[in-house]
Amino acid sequence: DTGVSQNPRHKITKRGQNVTFRCDPISEHNRLYWYRQTLGQGPEFLTYFQNEAQLEKSRLLSDRFSAERPKGSFSTLEIQRTEQGDSAMYLCASSTRGNTEAFFGQGTRLTVV
Amino acid sequence: DQQVKQNSPSLSVQEGRISILNCDYTNSMFDYFLWYKKYPAEGPTFLISISSIKDKNEDGRFTVFLNKSAKHLSLHIVPSQPGDSAVYFCAAADSWGKLQFGAGTQVVVTP
Repeated sequence: DTGVSQNPRHKITKRGQNVTFRCDPISEHNRLYWYRQTLGQGPEFLTYFQNEAQLEKSRLLSDRFSAERPKGSFSTLEIQRTEQGDSAMYLCASSTRGNTEAFFGQGTRLTVV
Repeated sequence: DQQVKQNSPSLSVQEGRISILNCDYTNSMFDYFLWYKKYPAEGPTFLISISSIKDKNEDGRFTVFLNKSAKHLSLHIVPSQPGDSAVYFCAAADSWGKLQFGAGTQVVVTP
């Protein structure tokens, strides 16, 4: 499979619990992005990696959110002490430098109850 | 602040006719622009892009037009097919490839 892979596809968690999502980008892509999408809105940028370096974080990313990309391959997004407002689709995308196309995974749907 | 806007939340078009989707942006520093198509419960699928130095790009049934002076772009789909029914997002990218999206336009292609 040569596409962007995200796991899990769905996650239901109780408020206050921690959750972690994983993204495996297309293998030769050195850029990796995380976005969040809520109902009726377009995806919103959260954070961005070039190789293993996290280069930018959105103001949307509170201290409860942390992302890593060890060794510049897969990435994880962790949300601590989840809140109901964290319920959304979390999307990962990857691209190569100089390429206009970013390819998205199928997303992780988080529901906080 | 919303730097990319899609002012039409929905569009209904007859099969075989042209679909025209519009998008406006406010930041003249965007490097290029993209259109994505999205089905429910799936991630966005890339359709077509255009560099900020061009005014038209065509790929099969899809053509994107860019009017920099008006900060406006449009996507033309012709002829429209039932499988084109989806939500279409306009996005603008900076030099790092970070995307800012519009709110989307729901396209329904009717027989």
